[in-house]
Amino acid sequence: AAGVIQSPRHLIKEKRETATLKCYPIPRHDTVYWYQQGPGQDPQFLISFYEKMQSDKGSIPDRFSAQQFSDYHSELNMSSLELGDSALYFCASSSRSIGRDYEQYFGPGTRLTVT
Amino acid sequence: AQKITQTQPGMFVQEKEAVTLDCTYDTSDQSYGLFWYKQPSSGEMIFLIYQGSYDEQNATEGRYSLNFQKARKSANLVISASQLGDSAMYFCAMRPNFGNEKLTFGTGTRLTIIP
Repeated sequence: AAGVIQSPRHLIKEKRETATLKCYPIPRHDTVYWYQQGPGQDPQFLISFYEKMQSDKGSIPDRFSAQQFSDYHSELNMSSLELGDSALYFCASSSRSIGRDYEQYFGPGTRLTVT
Repeated sequence: AQKITQTQPGMFVQEKEAVTLDCTYDTSDQSYGLFWYKQPSSGEMIFLIYQGSYDEQNATEGRYSLNFQKARKSANLVISASQLGDSAMYFCAMRPNFGNEKLTFGTGTRLTIIP
């Protein structure tokens, strides 16, 4: 079965650079979530989109922005990167229309390292 | 606001034994869902089991079962007949069934299965 796809899987950036993370949800899933997991930490919710509209926002820095496109893929844009942004970034998707909408399927994550 | 507490930072269990991972939660929501995720050293987040707050029966998925005690606000994960491949980080999480859908995670329990 198709899963959530995230790209790139690994990314190394320098301080003050910009990064773009991409997420391709499971086909027919209409909701995308972004989570940030720092080293040794639990995942923290950043932002979510339903049908291309922002549905909820968590502790996402102003330097970050995200959107969901017409094909339902989502991108997380991170500017002026700081060392503390080094983390594993997860995208998850779910569907409100198929049923079992409580299940959020996670992608493999993008490991961002800021040097 | 929701809060998840996992009081066992690490556990060591002999192979083939059953293991219980503790999870307590706090929420003012009347309708909510409880989840367990497994995170191996490779980093991906694997959905294991779900329990709805109004489900009268404890959820089971293969070797995983969720011991749901609503009055005590606990949702412990029980893994029967543990295997070496069960060694991983385990996160308990919850989300309300209405309003925002973000998952709130606990700090996790690192389970190590000893041969």
